[in-house]
Amino acid sequence: SQTIHQWPATLVQPVGSPLSLECTVEGTSNPNLYWYRQAAGRGLQLLFYSVGIGQISSEVPQNLSASRPQDRQFILSSKKLLLSDSGFYLCAWAYGRVGSEQFFGPGTRLTVL
Amino acid sequence: QKEVEQNSGPLSVPEGAIASLNCTYSDRGSQSFFWYRQYSGKSPELIMFIYSNGDKEDGRFTAQLNKASQYVSLLIRDSQPSDSATYLCAVNTGGFKTIFGAGTRLFVKA
Repeated sequence: SQTIHQWPATLVQPVGSPLSLECTVEGTSNPNLYWYRQAAGRGLQLLFYSVGIGQISSEVPQNLSASRPQDRQFILSSKKLLLSDSGFYLCAWAYGRVGSEQFFGPGTRLTVL
Repeated sequence: QKEVEQNSGPLSVPEGAIASLNCTYSDRGSQSFFWYRQYSGKSPELIMFIYSNGDKEDGRFTAQLNKASQYVSLLIRDSQPSDSATYLCAVNTGGFKTIFGAGTRLFVKA
């Protein structure tokens, strides 16, 4: 069966510090991978998605970036965090077909102070 | 802009009742429809997906899709306090991206 991991689970960072969140998927090959952010009491905002190694589509122009160095690894980064970057960061995977359902990891709760 | 709209709630139902959650979407070309449950502080969990007009049943859950009206709903029969959560409607318009509604909070009273 497939599993998806995210770490760290929680993170408190000062404004202006860098960020690296990691997501890995097990039990499937060539998944589509997604990064979402959920602000408190809000819906899911798609940040990035990837359909293959090195292929990144950005949905929101901001100070975040994403990379996919391996088939089942997806990394979200920032060089300098802003207060507005606080939120619940969710990684998801989907089968590599159009319209597939998505499966979410446990999430990382980021607080920027 | 493609949108998915849900009533934010909270929707409050007594234990054992039927909870009805509704969702509308703007893109008439939408192909796939999903319902997720999200407990407070946790990540969303897929409950059901539906692709064709009509009803799809899975245990106590029934998803209903009406593409002509651009409307999808989720019925929860015999609601339990453990069903108290936020329910997210999600719509795929044919590519690799899925648009999520902001969710409806459901509260089941014991």
